[in-house]
Amino acid sequence: EVQLLESGGGLVQPGGSLRLSCAPSGITFSDYAMTWVRQAPGMGLEWVSTVSGRGDATYYADSVKGRFTISRDNSRNTLYLQMNGLRAEDTAVYFCAKGGHNSYYDYWGQGTLVTVSS
Amino acid sequence: EIVLTQSPATLSLSPGERATLSCRSSQSVSSYLAWYQQKPGQAPRLLMYDVSNRATGIPARFSGSGSGTDFTLTISSLEPEDFAVYYCQQRNNWPRTFGQGTRLEIK
Repeated sequence: EVQLLESGGGLVQPGGSLRLSCAPSGITFSDYAMTWVRQAPGMGLEWVSTVSGRGDATYYADSVKGRFTISRDNSRNTLYLQMNGLRAEDTAVYFCAKGGHNSYYDYWGQGTLVTVSS
Repeated sequence: EIVLTQSPATLSLSPGERATLSCRSSQSVSSYLAWYQQKPGQAPRLLMYDVSNRATGIPARFSGSGSGTDFTLTISSLEPEDFAVYYCQQRNNWPRTFGQGTRLEIK
């Protein structure tokens, strides 16, 4: 059974930093691109970032480019999202999802809530 | 950036009725379009990929059609568990984009 478990969310002040993690199980992690998608309260889905299976290709939404960094450690089977310069508009549930380079998001984590507020 | 526009924003139907949800793209996405279903408090679930292919475990009452810029998700006979929010998503171009969603509610 495929499971994706996110962690690292919480309350942070504007301008602060946070690092999210996602630990998949039930898949050969390095075989798949991985993606972060977020959802602001009461709003729709927003694609944030994708990293290739080997970690050598990354893609970002304009809204986070230059502030967020996606990475992965295939030896630890873990996906990361380093978020710097956080703004109120970054407040959302952040989902990690399997896929995204030449595929769709067929498995999702339960999400981790990031709240940016003073 | 490719903008996906879903209509209607809200669709009110009864169980057993047929639902037709639309997704229109600002430019061609070829056949690289998916549909997701999301229920309150849950992660999205992949329903359809590459327009018309059902994802694993998705019942046959769900079907997808279209190409280029106009796409449709059809639910042939609504079951109580189908009432949710539905999103389309394209993977033809970066950045990947989602539609704003259609809420399917019980009439």
